[in-house]
Amino acid sequence: DSGVTQTPKHLITATGQRVTLRCSPRSGDLSVYWYQQSLDQGLQFLIQYYNGEERAKGNILERFSAQQFPDLHSELNLSSLELGDSALYFCASSPFRGNTGELFFGEGSRLTVL
Amino acid sequence: AQSVTQPDIHITVSEGASLELRCNYSYGATPYLFWYVQSPGQGLQLLLKYFSGDTLVQGIKGFEAEFKRSQSSFNLRKPSVHWSDAAEYFCAVGAPETGANNLFFGTGTRLTVIP
Repeated sequence: DSGVTQTPKHLITATGQRVTLRCSPRSGDLSVYWYQQSLDQGLQFLIQYYNGEERAKGNILERFSAQQFPDLHSELNLSSLELGDSALYFCASSPFRGNTGELFFGEGSRLTVL
Repeated sequence: AQSVTQPDIHITVSEGASLELRCNYSYGATPYLFWYVQSPGQGLQLLLKYFSGDTLVQGIKGFEAEFKRSQSSFNLRKPSVHWSDAAEYFCAVGAPETGANNLFFGTGTRLTVIP
């Protein structure tokens, strides 16, 4: 158990819909990262937040947005969903702002878009 | 920009046999290098990491990896594989000078262990 909690574990929805994925980092971790894992793209970095502020942005679509709240939990919002958005979305946390490389991953939220 | 190549999509080894998973990276300087393991239905767990210093690093679960600058490689090894090692293994690279912690992952190598 990494200490990172993601909900929901599974989500099935239709194209055009909007969903919110939630992540609670390990106790004390200030950084939260979102990754998307799909069969064709592999593990792709989406976005990082540190202590409530956006720190780094990767291959995140404009239809996707994220935020980190004062209690440090984070939400990833996916809108106007397309079939290709079906993937496993991982949240990871780290105590640090910068590059230590040691990320603690949650078990993921599996999104299926029909 | 950095990139990571794991040339082997799937490897099958017998229990007790040795294992080597290959990883090559592309980066202008010495990156931070990592190996993560993902068991079925689980998140990723860090096996080991290399930042600097001794090029042979030891990790958890009996794994080790060797950084070879001349070959831009960071191969993962284990002398004797156990059935519980069956999982997907990801090599990842981080860019030290950016100060960012976003890692770039390879496409993974799925390890099957046969009795």
